[in-house]
Amino acid sequence: GDSVTQMEGPVTLSEEAFLTINCTYTATGYPSLFWYVQYPGEGLQLLLKATKADDKGSNKGFEATYRKETTSFHLEKGSVQVSDSAVYFCALNYGGSQGNLIFGKGTKLSVKP
Amino acid sequence: DSGVTQTPKHLITATGQRVTLRCSPRSGDLSVYWYQQSLDQGLQFLIQYYNGEERAKGNILERFSAQQFPDLHSELNLSSLELGDSALYFCASSVEPSGRPLFFGPGTRLTVL
Repeated sequence: GDSVTQMEGPVTLSEEAFLTINCTYTATGYPSLFWYVQYPGEGLQLLLKATKADDKGSNKGFEATYRKETTSFHLEKGSVQVSDSAVYFCALNYGGSQGNLIFGKGTKLSVKP
Repeated sequence: DSGVTQTPKHLITATGQRVTLRCSPRSGDLSVYWYQQSLDQGLQFLIQYYNGEERAKGNILERFSAQQFPDLHSELNLSSLELGDSALYFCASSVEPSGRPLFFGPGTRLTVL
């Protein structure tokens, strides 16, 4: 079945460091891909999305490119801040009449000042 | 604030008991989703409703049931509770059934003792 695999955390970085969180997926069709972020004690928030191959999603300095050839959707940010400390989830869905998301296990990011 | 509300925020109960979690979607959203987040299983899709009708089912146990009412709020009923049911339960909503995107509530933390 469809699945999403993320790099295991936790990831600890210093402020202003470069961030990459790897995400690969297995899908039978052509899903849309998402990154959600969960700050401590809160629900998930959509960070960015891409709906087809070669699309780049971006938001708040984060970027991810939908790579069909490598079935990947890696999350990157050039310079992280302490406020980026959170758990990041990669997810996919097919839309249509059933919009349920299939999530990866999440990657916890801690940014130290 | 996503506009999705969930009550209660915390729930502590005993094994064998039954509880009801409540969710109010964002204004105008017709589709409601329930997810369970636990340390070992990650984020698991339970069930989706659209405009009062069940649309998709995920890894929902037979002891669990849900419904969406005419005013579009939803309730998740968990019965014969076991220790392993302890988790965060998230509700999410979207305008259309495609789930693009989903807006998550803050969650209900259920502890079964």
